[in-house]
Amino acid sequence: DGGITQSPKYLFRKEGQNVTLSCEQNLNHDAMYWYRQDPGQGLRLIYYSQIVNDFQKGDIAEGYSVSREKKESFPLTVTSAQKNPTAFYLCASSRGHPGYNEQFFGPGTRLTVL
Amino acid sequence: KNQVEQSPQSLIILEGKNCTLQCNYTVSPFSNLRWYKQDTGRGPVSLTIMTFSENTKSNGRYTATLDADTKQSSLHITASQLSDSASYICVVIFFGNEKLTFGTGTRLTIIP
Repeated sequence: DGGITQSPKYLFRKEGQNVTLSCEQNLNHDAMYWYRQDPGQGLRLIYYSQIVNDFQKGDIAEGYSVSREKKESFPLTVTSAQKNPTAFYLCASSRGHPGYNEQFFGPGTRLTVL
Repeated sequence: KNQVEQSPQSLIILEGKNCTLQCNYTVSPFSNLRWYKQDTGRGPVSLTIMTFSENTKSNGRYTATLDADTKQSSLHITASQLSDSASYICVVIFFGNEKLTFGTGTRLTIIP
């Protein structure tokens, strides 16, 4: 998993609750990303950050929020506004722009809404 | 719209046999094309990265090929092993937006 850790591995949430997924990397990468993976679909980008204290929305940012206060950390909060949050969430990092630098993925967090 | 389609959706083969997975992409040009292996419940791991100027790249028993004329890439697995059971994802990075466009993957199962 290339020096990227995600926690927890499994997470259960009641409807109406906010939950935060952790992502930490020790690769000294500037860029970090959050993806969502659903059965039968390709990975979809939620948020990305190219540098500390800066982040941009991806294709499906509604109902999610992030912060990037430290280079090593990029936590994702799934808010109650996300109507269908049950999915497998993957964090990734790269040295620079993902178009020109390899992305390394974490082991993922499976979120289930009860 | 840039799209990446993979086939077959799933594949079952006997241990020791070879197999080929397909990735078709629409719209070009692109800057590079990647193949990832994803074990169940794990994150994807990079197998190969090819630029638009390359037409083949190997990583052990995995060989990726690229035909820019037909807009198709193939991942060939030689002498399959039980540990090859996984999903294989094709990713294309298109010029212009440098976004990663992920295919839906092929689920490969190797049986003894």
